[in-house]
Amino acid sequence: DTGVSQDPRHKITKRGQNVTFRCDPISEHNRLYWYRQTLGQGPEFLTYFQNEAQLEKSRLLSDRFSAERPKGSFSTLEIQRTEQGDSAMYLCASSSPSGTPQSRGRAARNQPQHFGDGTRLSIL
Amino acid sequence: GQNIDQPTEMTATEGAIVQINCTYQTSGFNGLFWYQQHAGEAPTFLSYNVLDGLEEKGRFSSFLSRSKGYSYLLLKELQMKDSASYLCAVRHGGPLGGGGNKLTFGTGTQLKVEL
Repeated sequence: DTGVSQDPRHKITKRGQNVTFRCDPISEHNRLYWYRQTLGQGPEFLTYFQNEAQLEKSRLLSDRFSAERPKGSFSTLEIQRTEQGDSAMYLCASSSPSGTPQSRGRAARNQPQHFGDGTRLSIL
Repeated sequence: GQNIDQPTEMTATEGAIVQINCTYQTSGFNGLFWYQQHAGEAPTFLSYNVLDGLEEKGRFSSFLSRSKGYSYLLLKELQMKDSASYLCAVRHGGPLGGGGNKLTFGTGTQLKVEL
């Protein structure tokens, strides 16, 4: 399976605990995204990496949330001092530019994001 | 800011055609995506429009009118397995320019296909 993989699939923890999720993108993808999805809603953007650089963070990402992608491959999302409102599905997606170097900018924008199955977080 | 509207629920009959509409208001439009999501699973990419017009891909087609801030997803020859949530998502310019990358999703349209 060469898709986006996330670990764990499910996480149940007590309020106040720290949790960390891992995402392994599709191997040739240099862009990686984290989203959060609650029941009946569409995914909400949290943050985005291009290689190891974190280029954008949503205002949803409070100071309890931190994401890293140290070697430009897998990424981790950590939530400290979890709260009830953190209960959600955390989705990771990756995408890649393609085409010649001259067209890469335009081609990059055409590449869809491919999602993993997510980590479902439940806070007790 | 971003605002994306799509119907919450739709019901259609197996074998029929259904059209799911999406309207959006966004600063810096850079493409519209449709994803399918079955309960408990990842969203899967269906189609992409950046220019006005119709994109066809097998049983699925997607249309875009940028001047109207409007898109639709057309599903033909409906099958029971098409019962899922259909997510409209807009990509817009980011702070670093170059087209940006993040997607803003609508709440999804839950489609139920009946016999």
